[in-house]
Amino acid sequence: AQSVTQLGSHVSVSEGALVLLRCNYSSSVPPYLFWYVQYPNQGLQLLLKYTTGATLVKGINGFEAEFKKSETSFHLTKPSAHMSDAAEYFCAVSDLGASSASKIIFGSGTRLSIRP
Amino acid sequence: DTGVSQNPRHKITKRGQNVTFRCDPISEHNRLYWYRQTLGQGPEFLTYFQNEAQLEKSRLLSDRFSAERPKGSFSTLEIQRTEQGDSAMYLCASSLRGEQYFGPGTRLTVT
Repeated sequence: AQSVTQLGSHVSVSEGALVLLRCNYSSSVPPYLFWYVQYPNQGLQLLLKYTTGATLVKGINGFEAEFKKSETSFHLTKPSAHMSDAAEYFCAVSDLGASSASKIIFGSGTRLSIRP
Repeated sequence: DTGVSQNPRHKITKRGQNVTFRCDPISEHNRLYWYRQTLGQGPEFLTYFQNEAQLEKSRLLSDRFSAERPKGSFSTLEIQRTEQGDSAMYLCASSLRGEQYFGPGTRLTVT
């Protein structure tokens, strides 16, 4: 079975500061990992995904994440926070890969707030 | 490409009533997924279609829930005899190869 743990249900940073959202996963097979963002009253938007290959993955809006197998982690970072980054962020894992029809298992989410 | 659409966006119903939601996937996407998201939680998988065939159902999908995708295009999710615990956001996603694209969701409130 697969699972995702997001450390910290709420993270608050100042505008311009580093954003770090933590995610650890559990998977018995090589995982495919995702970060999604959800703005209020909207659906989920894919920020980035790790499938195979390079462990540092760059996504939209300046976000990136690094897959660390030894730590079973996939933390999301952004060097400089912007007010528009305020949203709910979900880490997710899939077992059969992005090219398959597999369901996605989501973490419980981290709400990111940005202080002016 | 107009994206995944869901209707209605909001639904308020009384306990015991039946409700039906509709999802229109991105054109030509053969895979369609339903998820449920309760307040403060991540989405949870409910069921999945490939074309018109329902290939997987979560144990979360009790016998009060039924989903269809009759022509392999749009899908409906019906909840019979709604309970307060059914209050949630119901999300639909579609895919062709890999990445799932999510709709805006239908927020159900059962009073």
